Amino acid sequence: EIVLTQSPGTLSLSPGQRATLSCRASQSVASNFLAWYRQKPGQAPRLLIYGASSRATGIPDRFSGGGSGTDFTLTISRLEPEDFAVFYCQQYGTSAGTFGPGTKVDIK
Amino acid sequence: EVHLVESGGNLVQPGGSLRLSCAVSGFIFSNYAMSWVRQAPGKGLEWVSSVTNNGARTHYADSVKGRFTISRDNSKNTLYLQMNSLRAEDTAIYYCAKNPPTSGWFYFDYWGQGTLVTVSS
Repeated sequence: EIVLTQSPGTLSLSPGQRATLSCRASQSVASNFLAWYRQKPGQAPRLLIYGASSRATGIPDRFSGGGSGTDFTLTISRLEPEDFAVFYCQQYGTSAGTFGPGTKVDIK
Repeated sequence: EVHLVESGGNLVQPGGSLRLSCAVSGFIFSNYAMSWVRQAPGKGLEWVSSVTNNGARTHYADSVKGRFTISRDNSKNTLYLQMNSLRAEDTAIYYCAKNPPTSGWFYFDYWGQGTLVTVSS
């Protein structure tokens, strides 16, 4: 099973700042099958990025994904109020596609 | 617009059973695989089960294999999760999610609002 580690656990930033979130896999993720989700408090997750770098439908271009192999990043160029949430990465290159533990972005 | 609405969550005793439903609209249900993902209180996300678009193949996390059964009724645009032999560790919000086509495993492009299952005596 591929284990995903996300860092940092919590990121404290101000609106308008840039956020860089990391997701590291214990083994190489096949075909860069890596997705990112945002979960606002009390809501369901929402898909942001799939295939490591493709934005999902309706996702603004302030979100960008990058990386390959075992190291992936999600960058939010300018934090909006709705981005203060928890972000999860998920690999779907192997069966039982696993999620990372999440990075919480909170307001500094 | 895509909508997924779960129902059936409840308080149930350990060893009991529960059936969750997920009614969908806004897309051609029979064209897509579907899944259940759960989230224990204050915890992260865990894939539970998936079913192919025609129901021919099903997949389960080891933690629920042999106890949970996923199914679908394409004539009713509804996904189900039959949960038997429930344990305290099954307590979670259960989300229904749509799977986009991929040559990999499953990821999730639309989610319902979730339904809470609590297993406790």
